[in-house]
Amino acid sequence: QKEVEQNSGPLSVPEGAIASLNCTYSDRGSQSFFWYRQYSGKSPELIMFIYSNGDKEDGRFTAQLNKASQYVSLLIRDSQPSDSATYLCAVNRGAGSYQLTFGKGTKLSVIP
Amino acid sequence: GAVVSQHPSRVICKSGTSVKIECRSLDFQATTMFWYRQFPKQSLMLMATSNEGSKATYEQGVEKDKFLINHASLTLSTLTVTSAHPEDSSFYICSASRGQNYGYTFGSGTRLTVV
Repeated sequence: QKEVEQNSGPLSVPEGAIASLNCTYSDRGSQSFFWYRQYSGKSPELIMFIYSNGDKEDGRFTAQLNKASQYVSLLIRDSQPSDSATYLCAVNRGAGSYQLTFGKGTKLSVIP
Repeated sequence: GAVVSQHPSRVICKSGTSVKIECRSLDFQATTMFWYRQFPKQSLMLMATSNEGSKATYEQGVEKDKFLINHASLTLSTLTVTSAHPEDSSFYICSASRGQNYGYTFGSGTRLTVV
């Protein structure tokens, strides 16, 4: 069973702080890694994706991938109350697969 | 961008009836679309992979005769929940990808309530 693990939280950070969200995955063949944000009652929104080891930055968001450790993280700088949501990590199911396996998500709460 | 439209957003139906949900890629063609189901406080579970012009691929444990998928064009996939029962009540979401540089975009979801 291929798994994607996330700490369910809730993770609480003060406004303006850095929020760090973590995800581990079990399939060493996975090549594509995604972070989604999901507000309550809404469908997921893509924040960013990463395919290569290292960091990828997009505005206030940085995704970090370490394939050797099977670990991917998302950093949110200057956190805002509007960032309060559940963050889902998704991983493709192995080399060449288009299907994604999702983690259960981490609930983030940014305190004003 | 890559826009995926999903309708209806909410539907309430009586037990035993069928419900059709549409998923459209508005600004790109999608040979493959994906259907997910999400129960309250749970993560997304892939139900099936919809392939244009061919049969859908269902995940283990998903009844293909109950969840009918049709992907008749490059921009439209439909999911029909047949003989719906209260345990089918859930949030159904489709997704598609414009290509490797775009990731996977989700539709707005359909909240199905079977009474």
